[in-house]
Amino acid sequence: EPEVTQTPSHQVTQMGQEVILRCVPISNHLYFYWYRQILGQKVEFLVSFYNNEISEKSEIFDDQFSVERPDGSNFTLKIRSTKLEDSAMYFCASRTGYEQYFGPGTRLTVT
Amino acid sequence: AQSVTQPDIHITVSEGASLELRCNYSYGATPYLFWYVQSPGQGLQLLLKYFSGDTLVQGIKGFEAEFKRSQSSFNLRKPSVHWSDAAEYFCAVSKGAAGNKLTFGGGTRVLVKP
Repeated sequence: EPEVTQTPSHQVTQMGQEVILRCVPISNHLYFYWYRQILGQKVEFLVSFYNNEISEKSEIFDDQFSVERPDGSNFTLKIRSTKLEDSAMYFCASRTGYEQYFGPGTRLTVT
Repeated sequence: AQSVTQPDIHITVSEGASLELRCNYSYGATPYLFWYVQSPGQGLQLLLKYFSGDTLVQGIKGFEAEFKRSQSSFNLRKPSVHWSDAAEYFCAVSKGAAGNKLTFGGGTRVLVKP
């Protein structure tokens, strides 16, 4: 069964560093999403992406964040200058119908 | 804005007993409702969904959920719990095709006693 994959599974970075989280959505899906889950808190929507542009973003998704689909398969989330509060599990999701399929997540730890 | 409330943070249930997880949503129109399960160290797996039609929906792993518009609820049930059902369960709502971002509840962690 096709699935969404994410790399790395765990990323440790120092405050102020740039990180890129990578996702490979399911191949025939057209809509892509990033969510995050701070430890002990709700899963929160960050951004949705369709037809090579952002279709919606949350208040969390400020200028420090960017997304890109650099080729036909990858979907990336970049955080330009990480802060301690960016420490969270980041989930990528993709869909073609109404169901979103989630990847296993990348745990980002900012020290 | 849409919101989802899961009133129970933790639930402990004995193996073989029934399970019901509560979910209340706030949304102006007919919502699209989902239940996801997250096992330790895993991503979010879709258990079931409701878009329209029959208000009792069946999902994977023996789960079902009932949409009650009058109560703004979408409670998840399982008649007989297995030890492997120990996980965190998230209710989510979206407003349909446009954007289709999911708004999640806070989750309910289920512990299964032998």
